[in-house]
Formats: sequence, structure tokens, C-alpha cells
Amino acid sequence: EVQLVESGGGLVQPGGSLRLSCAASKITFRTYGMNWVRQAPGKGLEWVSYISSTSNPIYYADSVKGRFTISRDNAKNSLYLQMNSLRVEDTAVYYCARDLGIAAAVTLDYWGQGTLVTVSS
Amino acid sequence: SYELTQPPSVSVSPGQTASITCSGDKLGDKYACWYQQKPGQSPVLVIYQNNKRPSGIPERFSGSNSGNTATLTISGTQAMDGADYYCQAWDITTASVAFGGGTKLTVL
Repeated sequence: EVQLVESGGGLVQPGGSLRLSCAASKITFRTYGMNWVRQAPGKGLEWVSYISSTSNPIYYADSVKGRFTISRDNAKNSLYLQMNSLRVEDTAVYYCARDLGIAAAVTLDYWGQGTLVTVSS
Repeated sequence: SYELTQPPSVSVSPGQTASITCSGDKLGDKYACWYQQKPGQSPVLVIYQNNKRPSGIPERFSGSNSGNTATLTISGTQAMDGADYYCQAWDITTASVAFGGGTKLTVL
């Protein structure tokens, strides 16, 4: 079965930086678009960013544009999220999720277990 | 950004049919999908491309999408179906993924 394992979460001060990773196994990682989705404590799901299989195109939610950078290394079956200028409101569980690949849609068919990012002084 | 609206909560008796709606401008022109999330767990895709079920999802889950509203229907609802449900769509105009606010389904 497809496995997505996130890592890199933790406690960081406002204004700080953090880099999340997502390791994929048992999938042909290089052929799928990938996403980051977050969920603040007790709140709903919020999409963060999408990267295609070839790293072009890339899209971001307005709330993170200019602060977060998504990237991938297909040789390492890995997805990344570089988070800079972190704010208290970025506190959330961050999930990586695979895009099923349906044309004119983003459909998240596999999700990791999530990694918690806490931004606090 | 594109917005999707769901009712915060829906209640249903065991064995009955539960319907959860998701509203958005011209949502019927897009593909809608639905996720189930139980406490402490990651979301699970239950409906995609408006009405398709992934492998392993019971037949009692179905979906529709027309006009401004997508609907998730659970027939013969079971206690195990109690969870939060989120609708989601891709908006090509804003190049963004939209999630609904989520609906808590209570089976009682």
C-alpha cells in the first residue's frame, strides 16, 4: 500500500523557519502531483500548495504565498515544504497528499499521517 | 479565492439516509470530491469526480453534483460512518484547491 510519511514538524518561534519532508514509498512518485494540506487544532482542512510531477506548475494558497516554498526530489521520492516567516496562525498539522491525476481536478487519494507545526513564543 | 459552504452538522438515525450538501458558485461545472475524517486520523477520500467511489469505499456512499450544489449521500448509515466530512474542488480560475468548512455527521 502507498505510504506517505511526513517529518520535520516541531516548535518554532514567530518569524522562524521550518522545513517539512514527506517520504513516499510503494508509489511511482515521479508520475504524480503532490500537495500539502494543513489543519489547525480543532479546525477544518486548508490546502497549502500543489506541485506537479515535473515541478511545473506550482500553486500556493494566498495565505502562504511568498513565505512557503514547495519542492520535490523525484530521485529520492520526497516532497518538501520550506516555511519561512512563520506566524502563530500557521500552527497546524501538516499533511502531504497525493493527487490522483484526474484532468481539471485535484483529488487527494492518499494522505500521510501528518506532522505538527507549532508556532509560539 | 473560491468558497465552498457546508452545514456544520447533520444528524441521522442508524439505517437511515444521510445527505450532506456543499455549495459553491457554479460548483456543478467542476469536479467535487468528499473526504471522511475520524478523530485523530488522516482524511480518507470517499467520493471523487462527483460520484465515483475509490476501491474499498462501501456502496452506501454516493455523490452528485449539479448547479451550485454537490451532495454526499450515505444510505443505510451505520454508526461507523459518524465522522467529519469535507467537500473539495479545484478552481481553475484562481488555481487553488477549495475545501468546505466540514460537516460533523452524528449517527444516533
